[in-house]
Amino acid sequence: DVKVTQSSRYLVKRTGEKVFLECVQDMDHENMFWYRQDPGLGLRLIYFSYDVKMKEKGDIPEGYSVSREKKERFSLILESASTNQTSMYLCASSHTVSGANVLTFGAGSRLTVL
Amino acid sequence: GQNIDQPTEMTATEGAIVQINCTYQTSGFNGLFWYQQHAGEAPTFLSYNVLDGLEEKGRFSSFLSRSKGYSYLLLKELQMKDSASYLCAVRVESTLTFGKGTMLLVSP
Repeated sequence: DVKVTQSSRYLVKRTGEKVFLECVQDMDHENMFWYRQDPGLGLRLIYFSYDVKMKEKGDIPEGYSVSREKKERFSLILESASTNQTSMYLCASSHTVSGANVLTFGAGSRLTVL
Repeated sequence: GQNIDQPTEMTATEGAIVQINCTYQTSGFNGLFWYQQHAGEAPTFLSYNVLDGLEEKGRFSSFLSRSKGYSYLLLKELQMKDSASYLCAVRVESTLTFGKGTMLLVSP
């Protein structure tokens, strides 16, 4: 089974702090994704990456950056955290199952910015 | 832009059948996915449709009509453990865009 591991399950940070959310997958997948999930808004794509050192903006990239220095690791960075970035952050990698490119998600990182 | 609509909440009784609808208007289409998400957990893959018609997988089936921009997820013989949020998602090029999810509550 594909395993996607997010290093922090719960974080509490202060406004203005720099925040790193780490994600590691163990199946040599090319594609990795960061989403945030908020009540009433669903899952929204922040950034994704097709390969090492490659990154593409999703639907809501403002206030975020990413890093993909190694294939298995995709980091989400909040340069200066703000209260509106309080959310559940979900990392995913994609693989093919019966012709479908399927996302496998990590358990999530719940970030609270005070 | 992408627009994916599904009902916010549904309720059903254990043992019954429930159909969760999803309509979409997207700039492209490379497949439609359904995910299940239990409270406090990550979404997990349920089904995939890229051609029109019905895909059946045990108690769960998913239907797609591309011309109508419409899909549904059919859950049969409902169990309490089926209480969860069901997410409809459309692949446009290489990314998935999700609907807001339908919270299904199964009661005894």
